[in-house]
Amino acid sequence: DADVTQTPRNRITKTGKRIMLECSQTKGHDRMYWYRQDPGLGLRLIYYSFDVKDINKGEISDGYSVSRQAQAKFSLSLESAIPNQTALYFCATSDPRQGSSQPQHFGDGTRLSIL
Amino acid sequence: AQKITQTQPGMFVQEKEAVTLDCTYDTSDPSYGLFWYKQPSSGEMIFLIYQGSYDQQNATEGRYSLNFQKARKSANLVISASQLGDSAMYFCAMRDVNDKIIFGKGTRLHILP
Repeated sequence: DADVTQTPRNRITKTGKRIMLECSQTKGHDRMYWYRQDPGLGLRLIYYSFDVKDINKGEISDGYSVSRQAQAKFSLSLESAIPNQTALYFCATSDPRQGSSQPQHFGDGTRLSIL
Repeated sequence: AQKITQTQPGMFVQEKEAVTLDCTYDTSDPSYGLFWYKQPSSGEMIFLIYQGSYDQQNATEGRYSLNFQKARKSANLVISASQLGDSAMYFCAMRDVNDKIIFGKGTRLHILP
């Protein structure tokens, strides 16, 4: 089983719909992140959470909200989806106790298309 | 504000040649870490190599090495003896003291047979 699991893997929906992307991890990491990837723009940070009670906005948080239900779960919501939120979304985790050289661990991504 | 810049949107390289992918960064923090990731066409993010801001030696991992020039704020990835399987998107990323991690826009590398 994957250490960082994103569901769904693919989603097609319509403008105005509410969408939730889910991320769960079995690594025991405190820190979790949501990114979106667009062609030519790389990965941009949407939200990040250092523990259940600590949630921070990234560089592009407008139009998104998150919920950290437990250490292992971090969900991303689009309250009213719009076409320019069509992108590949990644969840990632990290554990600072393992030292600064430890990389983030990524899920396989959710490909979201909004029509 | 912190920033990562990758100036090469795409590169074409002949198989078995060495490749250098450029990355420059901007930060005022004295402590930071630099990462390179590979993203093949299948989409997953694969960690390649890490360099800490206080590391005296350039990092190496197999065919990957990082040419770290701190004064120039440069952290270029060097791939020796390129292979067809190296064709992918490559991202440079920086971790700051608060564990916030930002990415560059990426370089798409094409290895030609």
